Amino acid sequence: QQQVKQSPQSLIVQKGGISIINCAYENTAFDYFPWYQQFPGKGPALLIAIRPDVSEKKEGRFTISFNKSAKQFSLHIMDSQPGDSATYFCAAKRSGGSNYKLTFGKGTLLTVNP
Amino acid sequence: SQTIHQWPATLVQPVGSPLSLECTVEGTSNPNLYWYRQAAGRGLQLLFYSVGIGQISSEVPQNLSASRPQDRQFILSSKKLLLSDSGFYLCAWTAYTDTQYFGPGTRLTVL
Repeated sequence: QQQVKQSPQSLIVQKGGISIINCAYENTAFDYFPWYQQFPGKGPALLIAIRPDVSEKKEGRFTISFNKSAKQFSLHIMDSQPGDSATYFCAAKRSGGSNYKLTFGKGTLLTVNP
Repeated sequence: SQTIHQWPATLVQPVGSPLSLECTVEGTSNPNLYWYRQAAGRGLQLLFYSVGIGQISSEVPQNLSASRPQDRQFILSSKKLLLSDSGFYLCAWTAYTDTQYFGPGTRLTVL
């Protein structure tokens, strides 16, 4: 059972455009929602993260929008650049416990054309 | 600062051979440690995690096992590799925070 659904699977955007990746979750016990960026042959790197008490978080060209009632969150990449071409994963962590396990979406392959 | 190492970086092994992948973390103590597998073009599958020395939790029953002989060392093993064990193996850590930090990965090809 997939607890975090990510869409689209792949996305092609022109340089300078806006890239939008969406994730939906089912478990209301999730309390931490990170986005990871992964380049081919590398490990994923944390890009930006948000908690459910905040509706939006912005870091440079990257913004997370969070809709708690809809149980959805999205990543917006403004002024997308060819260097942003990578696979993006959303994830969610359940509150409580000491294992800090993350549940990941299946990933979105972003291609930014020059 | 904290650093995570994985080795080897790449590995080509025949079917039926044993496997040992190592992950070490520097600059922190008592981290939670995780092993993930990523098949080609696919998502991240959590295989094992550990909250302390000798404490291993398995997420998916399979041909692999994990051990944590030291606080900052995590080992992934197999007695006999299968073709389906091919993939990109990632180690990650966290220490009393929600953020997991990933290592550079090991590319395993089983022939």
